[in-house]
Amino acid sequence: GAVVSQHPSWVICKSGTSVKIECRSLDFQATTMFWYRQFPKQSLMLMATSNEGSKATYEQGVEKDKFLINHASLTLSTLTVTSAHPEDSSFYICSARRGTSSTDTQYFGPGTRLTVL
Amino acid sequence: DQQVKQNSPSLSVQEGRISILNCDYTNSMFDYFLWYKKYPAEGPTFLISISSIKDKNEDGRFTVFLNKSAKHLSLHIVPSQPGDSAVYFCAALGLGGNTGKLIFGQGTTLQVKP
Repeated sequence: GAVVSQHPSWVICKSGTSVKIECRSLDFQATTMFWYRQFPKQSLMLMATSNEGSKATYEQGVEKDKFLINHASLTLSTLTVTSAHPEDSSFYICSARRGTSSTDTQYFGPGTRLTVL
Repeated sequence: DQQVKQNSPSLSVQEGRISILNCDYTNSMFDYFLWYKKYPAEGPTFLISISSIKDKNEDGRFTVFLNKSAKHLSLHIVPSQPGDSAVYFCAALGLGGNTGKLIFGQGTTLQVKP
């Protein structure tokens, strides 16, 4: 159990276009999901915390108008990179927390590789 | 400001020997720590965790040690197996007024040689 999927697994887009990434918890409900990005050979950096039915909480330095997050159901959160530019190219990973306690395990998706040309 | 640090970017050990991965943190508010394992182009997989009220937690071949006074934790893998070759991230969780935000270290690439 505790499977998290992401779609697409990789995407290449032109500069200025928008890209939507889906994160689904397949066998459990997740009140809270998290979005991370990882640059090559660097750590995972939290971008935002997504709570079902409410607005996402963004980390300092993350543009909320550029990275739109929607958590419409207990099994789905989406990240939309608007007007993507080459510097947005990165590996985006979501996680879903099983349970409502802070110490409940976060299960990660396989990630989405975004390349902006 | 790197609050969780893994100062060794890589580690190579022989199969059957012990692997020791280290992690240091700076924020004394952190009171729950986790280790994740990550293969290339995949998301991290949870391995083991430890609360600050403990100094050791063991799960099979994996043991995590926590030294609060030194703000240091380590992951021991024994015996190491070639399938353990991956990037290992330590992460810290602050419970005080925190919603479950994980702060990750930079990762250590472990290579276990047959």
